[in-house]
Order: sequence, then C-alpha cells, then structure tokens
Amino acid sequence: EAQVTQNPRYLITVTGKKLTVTCSQNMNHEYMSWYRQDPGLGLRQIYYSMNVEVTDKGDVPEGYKVSRKEKRNFPLILESPSPNQTSLYFCASSSLKTGGQETQYFGPGTRLLVL
Amino acid sequence: QKEVEQNSGPLSVPEGAIASLNCTYSDRGSQSFFWYRQYSGKSPELIMSIYSNGDKEDGRFTAQLNKASQYVSLLIRDSQPSDSATYLCAVIAGYSTLTFGKGTMLLVSP
Repeated sequence: EAQVTQNPRYLITVTGKKLTVTCSQNMNHEYMSWYRQDPGLGLRQIYYSMNVEVTDKGDVPEGYKVSRKEKRNFPLILESPSPNQTSLYFCASSSLKTGGQETQYFGPGTRLLVL
Repeated sequence: QKEVEQNSGPLSVPEGAIASLNCTYSDRGSQSFFWYRQYSGKSPELIMSIYSNGDKEDGRFTAQLNKASQYVSLLIRDSQPSDSATYLCAVIAGYSTLTFGKGTMLLVSP
C-alpha cells in the first residue's frame, strides 16, 4: 500500500529536550516536505527536499532541522523545543514530473505538545 | 509573497444541496491546483486536481478553473453530512512549493 508514515503520532515533551519525528514514504517520491498546522494559521511549510541531500527552507524554518540521506526518509529534528512549537505536524511527499510537482500525499500527522 | 485566499466559513448547506467553495490565488505563474478535504485532527486528503481552464468532474465533485481571473472553485453536488469538513485549496507553480489557503469549513445539516 502506497503511504507516508510518521512516528510518533503523539508526543509530549519538555522545553529543551531534543526530539526527532520520523517520516518515511514507499512511493519512490523525489519531493518531501514538512508542514505545521495551527488554528487560524492553516498549513505552513517548514522545510522541503527535492531529492537526496537537497533541502531548503519553507515559510517557518526557525527552530527546526531536517536531513535527507535516503530517498524514502525525511526526519524533522527539534534541537531545543519550545512551547511555541506545540502544533500538529504533517509530512508529505510527491513525485516530480516534467514541468513540476504532482499531487502531494500526506502522512497521518504528529501531535506535539511542548511543556 | 504567494497567497491563496479562501473564506473561512463556516458554509452551511442542507443535505442534498450544492455546496460551492471558492478560492483565489495571487501568483499568475501557478499551473497546478488542488482541493484537499480535511476532517478535524486528520491529514489532508486529495479530492480533486485541475491543471487547465474549465471544469473537471469526478463523481459528485466538480472543480472549476479560470486562470484569467485567478480563481478556482469546487462544487459538491448532493451534499451529505459526511462531506462536513474543512476544504483546503492549494496551488503550485512548476517546481515551487505547494501553497495552501487557510481552508473553508463546510457544514452539511441532515
């Protein structure tokens, strides 16, 4: 089954404790992306990757890191989480065709609470 | 700054009616347009994509695109209570990032 998986699905942590949210896709997609979703602000892109070892900042990259060492995986790293990073996080992936992206497919989401 | 604008709603329609959701975008270079449905706390789910001017129909859903007016819409015929969700409009220009609107909440009453 074609899918994007994220782990963990729910996470409660404390300020300053480093954490990693994993994302994996089995569709051989070149493009992967991380979003956060907050009430009233919609989906905002954190980082994206066009292919292995190619990453770039989205609209709200501060406080986050990513890496793309393998095509299927795109982990999101919070080196020192703060309460304002409490949010619902989504990973997404898509194929890149001639002329641009195809449809993005989303993972199930990770709900993060930083105390 | 690329922008995608949607009315936040809620848009309330009775069961069986046509729901009309609208979206405008600022980037004239946008080439690909998508409608996602999102239930509360769940991930966005693609329901329609449209790439050229005109109408595209898929079951009860019709997407309409007017690039000259920078306008894309989604019609849902025979609305059902299960259609109650937030609908997200999203656009892409080429290899650029996907830009989302903030979504319109649709409420379908039995």
